[in-house]
Amino acid sequence: QKEVEQNSGPLSVPEGAIASLNCTYSDRGSQSFFWYRQYSGKSPELIMFIYSNGDKEDGRFTAQLNKASQYVSLLIRDSQPSDSATYLCAVNGNSGYALNFGKGTSLLVTP
Amino acid sequence: EAGVVQSPRYKIIEKKQPVAFWCNPISGHNTLYWYRQNLGQGPELLIRYENEEAVDDSQLPKDRFSAERLKGVDSTLKIQPAELGDSAVYLCASSRSGGNTEAFFGQGTRLTVV
Repeated sequence: QKEVEQNSGPLSVPEGAIASLNCTYSDRGSQSFFWYRQYSGKSPELIMFIYSNGDKEDGRFTAQLNKASQYVSLLIRDSQPSDSATYLCAVNGNSGYALNFGKGTSLLVTP
Repeated sequence: EAGVVQSPRYKIIEKKQPVAFWCNPISGHNTLYWYRQNLGQGPELLIRYENEEAVDDSQLPKDRFSAERLKGVDSTLKIQPAELGDSAVYLCASSRSGGNTEAFFGQGTRLTVV
């Protein structure tokens, strides 16, 4: 079973701070990496994807990928209370195209 | 563009009864997934379709679960008979074919088996 590991949290950050969410994966052949946001009682919503080593920025969000370390992270700058949610890391394995999800990290942004 | 549509949103059934969930993917998305999500967990893949072909159903409990996507568009997931442990949110997602493509989720069906 290919593993995707995330710290379940909760991660608490003050409003305006940078939230850093981390994810490690076991399948070295993984090719694409996704971050989903899931509000309580709602379905996952895609917020970022990254395929190449390095950083990818989209507004307040930055995804970082290090394939050598099998590590992907999501940075949220200027965190807002509306960012409070569970963030799911998903990895597309080498053997197929079904996303393998971690358990998610709960983020709480306090005013 | 319409998103992934699922129905029903909620379903409460007694154990041993059958239940079915329906999903209509985003237009043009040939890949369709059914995931199950338990409380506090990430989604777990049940089955993946490429057009009408089930290409990954290794995690589908085939003794009680079945799925179909007859015309390569909408799909139905069935459980018969349902067990208490089947209570979860059943999520449908779709994506364009091929690797490195983003998957988009429907609103899900929350199943409660009593």
